[in-house]
Amino acid sequence: QSALTQPASVSGSSGQSITISCTGTTSDIGRFKFVSWYQQHPGKAPKLIIYDVLHRPSGVSDRFSGSKSGNTASLTISGLQGDDEADYYCSSYGPDGLEIFGGGTKLTVL
Amino acid sequence: EVQLLQSGSEVKKPGESLRISCSASGYSFTDFWISWVRQVPGKGLEWMGRIDPSDSYTNYSPSFQGQVTISVDRSVTTAYLQWTSLKASDSAIYYCARRLSSGRGYSYGSWGQGTLVTVS
Repeated sequence: QSALTQPASVSGSSGQSITISCTGTTSDIGRFKFVSWYQQHPGKAPKLIIYDVLHRPSGVSDRFSGSKSGNTASLTISGLQGDDEADYYCSSYGPDGLEIFGGGTKLTVL
Repeated sequence: EVQLLQSGSEVKKPGESLRISCSASGYSFTDFWISWVRQVPGKGLEWMGRIDPSDSYTNYSPSFQGQVTISVDRSVTTAYLQWTSLKASDSAIYYCARRLSSGRGYSYGSWGQGTLVTVS
């Protein structure tokens, strides 16, 4: 099962909004509503910021939002802040009980 | 407070065996699946597999099936990731992660601090 496809990098200025895409197939993102997004700062463990496509865990800023259309999920970060600069990973449940991550996207805040 | 405390860094030689651990506290251990995730430094996250601590049922990514073993010891609320014969390509940071919800979903809300394994 191949990794989900994410852009290698995205950038945006402070205060702006950016969207990171995550493309899978009809067997994973297209079939299930189990898409998650994780934020990872250098040297740190990943942190869950979106689960089940669009839900935020307690304590996560509402500047983070998720959506899905067909085989592609998206993470939008509004009002970019310096601390948002990190790597972002999507993940999805897939066939046969397996799970899969995207390749990761490096967000640069200009 | 949910805590996943992983064992410390390891330096091993190719062909050696290794078991790293993930000690869980602050919740009912058997109610939440645990997954292991690999990250080669500078690279992305790879899901290796998961275990249901209530019955030790496991699922493995095809990429890791037969290469590692995931297990738990309920008496000490600890999950393990084990290799019988390490390769240089096993050098990476390994994270354990606990499922967010006990009954559904495939997201991980709590993560260990990571264990760096170096095989050289």
